[in-house]
Amino acid sequence: KNQVEQSPQSLIILEGKNCTLQCNYTVSPFSNLRWYKQDTGRGPVSLTIMTFSENTKSNGRYTATLDADTKQSSLHITASQLSDSASYICVVSVKTNAGKSTFGDGTTLTVKP
Amino acid sequence: DTEVTQTPKHLVMGMTNKKSLKCEQHMGHRAMYWYKQKAKKPPELMFVYSYEKLSINESVPSRFSPECPNSSLLNLHLHALQPEDSALYLCASSQAGTSGLNEQFFGPGTRLTVL
Repeated sequence: KNQVEQSPQSLIILEGKNCTLQCNYTVSPFSNLRWYKQDTGRGPVSLTIMTFSENTKSNGRYTATLDADTKQSSLHITASQLSDSASYICVVSVKTNAGKSTFGDGTTLTVKP
Repeated sequence: DTEVTQTPKHLVMGMTNKKSLKCEQHMGHRAMYWYKQKAKKPPELMFVYSYEKLSINESVPSRFSPECPNSSLLNLHLHALQPEDSALYLCASSQAGTSGLNEQFFGPGTRLTVL
């Protein structure tokens, strides 16, 4: 069964600090892994997308890594800001025509002043 | 234009009402999706349209009826809903087929409340 597990479930950090979110998956056959940021009551916004051959990808203060051998990904946030407070969702897609994806339960990040 | 738009933003309806949610994209994507999201949970896939044809129905009750009039528009018709159907309804679009990355672009959602 295709699964995506994220940790921690929630995280509280002080403004300016760094943090790392984890995503482990068992999805097969793997197509790509995406990290989304979702503010409360809003639609998810894509941060990064990585295919099998990509190890790291950055988007401003967000850096995602992918280890396709161990089926693990991480999202590192540098110099956190209050606006980073949101839910971060890891999504893994399979190589099918339907583009069906498996969503993780997300990590809720709270950045405090 | 990399935006997916959804209307209305908020909708309150009674259990006997008939209403529709609308979604539009102009990115040339030929796959469009409806998701339901409850509070503090990830989005749950409801329907997928590929090239304007329904390709996935995740065993959704018939009180939800999707429609894809053309490649840019996606509707979700609602009838005789239950209070437990109250949720954030998200529309997304992506390239279709296996050649692309199938990266999904989400709309802002419609907050639905069923009384």
